[in-house]
Amino acid sequence: EPEVTQTPSHQVTQMGQEVILRCVPISNHLYFYWYRQILGQKVEFLVSFYNNEISEKSEIFDDQFSVERPDGSNFTLKIRSTKLEDSAMYFCASSDNRILNSPLHFGNGTRLTVT
Amino acid sequence: AQTVTQSQPEMSVQEAETVTLSCTYDTSENNYYLFWYKQPPSRQMILVIRQEAYKQQNATENRFSVNFQKAAKSFSLKISDSQLGDTAMYFCAFMRANTGNQFYFGTGTSLTVIP
Repeated sequence: EPEVTQTPSHQVTQMGQEVILRCVPISNHLYFYWYRQILGQKVEFLVSFYNNEISEKSEIFDDQFSVERPDGSNFTLKIRSTKLEDSAMYFCASSDNRILNSPLHFGNGTRLTVT
Repeated sequence: AQTVTQSQPEMSVQEAETVTLSCTYDTSENNYYLFWYKQPPSRQMILVIRQEAYKQQNATENRFSVNFQKAAKSFSLKISDSQLGDTAMYFCAFMRANTGNQFYFGTGTSLTVIP
């Protein structure tokens, strides 16, 4: 079964540094998402992306965050200047909204640690 | 805004027994979808079961079933014949039936299956 893949599985970075989290969604999916989960807390929506543009974003997704689909397969999340509170598990997801009731398919996540 | 509430932070069940996890939600939408996701210690988010709001029949997926009460805005998950591999965090999620597909997650219930 096709799956969403995320790299790296764990990223350690210093406060103030830029970080790029990478995702390869399922190939025939049209919608892409980033969610984050601070340790021990619930999964929070960051942003959704469709047709090469952001379709929705949350309050968390401020100017420090950006997303890009640089080619036909990758979907990236960039944090320009990381803060300690950005430490979390970041999940990429995709869905095929051509199929009614299409659920999110999640990747295994990237654990981001900001020191 | 949509909210999803899981009032049981932790639960435990004996192996082979049945357990029910609660979820309530608040929305003004009439057409939406509900999901249960499982997050084992590996942290991957795995779809367990889904329910369309327009369907009165409760969804069933092997040992997993839901009790969907639309008027009460309740969506509980029943796990029958619990297995050790069911030990995980379980998240209830709500999705509006429009473009963007933003999911709203509850805070999760940590389920431990006791041998």
